[in-house]
Amino acid sequence: GNSVTQMEGPVTLSEEAFLTINCTYTATGYPSLFWYVQYPGEGLQLLLKATKADDKGSNKGFEATYRKETTSFHLEKGSVQVSDSAVYFCARHSGGGADGLTFGKGTHLIIQP
Amino acid sequence: EPEVTQTPSHQVTQMGQEVILRCVPISNHLYFYWYRQILGQKVEFLVSFYNNEISEKSEIFDDQFSVERPDGSNFTLKIRSTKLEDSAMYFCASRKDRTVNTEAFFGQGTRLTVV
Repeated sequence: GNSVTQMEGPVTLSEEAFLTINCTYTATGYPSLFWYVQYPGEGLQLLLKATKADDKGSNKGFEATYRKETTSFHLEKGSVQVSDSAVYFCARHSGGGADGLTFGKGTHLIIQP
Repeated sequence: EPEVTQTPSHQVTQMGQEVILRCVPISNHLYFYWYRQILGQKVEFLVSFYNNEISEKSEIFDDQFSVERPDGSNFTLKIRSTKLEDSAMYFCASRKDRTVNTEAFFGQGTRLTVV
């Protein structure tokens, strides 16, 4: 079935470091791709999305590009802040006309001052 | 900003008991969802609901589960006879429509602990 694989955490970085969180998806159809973020004690919030190949989603300094050739949607940020500490989830539409989302396991990001 | 709200935030129940998790979706949204996340595992789709009926469900959503929109405001998930393995964080979500650019808004989740 359809799946999303993202790098295991926790990922610990110093403030102002460059961030990459890898995400790959199974190549069934042409799903929309998403990154959701969960700050401590809060629900899942959409961070960014891309709906077709080569689209770049961006928000709050984060970016991810829909790469069909590598079936990837890696999340990047040039300079992380302590406030970026959260759990990040990569997700895709489940496909086959279904509108549920298929999520990765989540990556816990810890930014140290 | 409108938000999806879920109650309670944490529920502890004994194995075999029925439990109802409650959600209030955003008021002008038409599509509603439940997801769950067992500790340390991925967020899994359970069910979607539109026009007062289930439109899609996963293999996890067996006869022990049911959903309802009893009053046009609340959207509930009922687990008829809870098992230890039902312990998880349950997320409710809603969308205005199903177009690809329409975001799903999630609630803060209800942590269900079955003892």
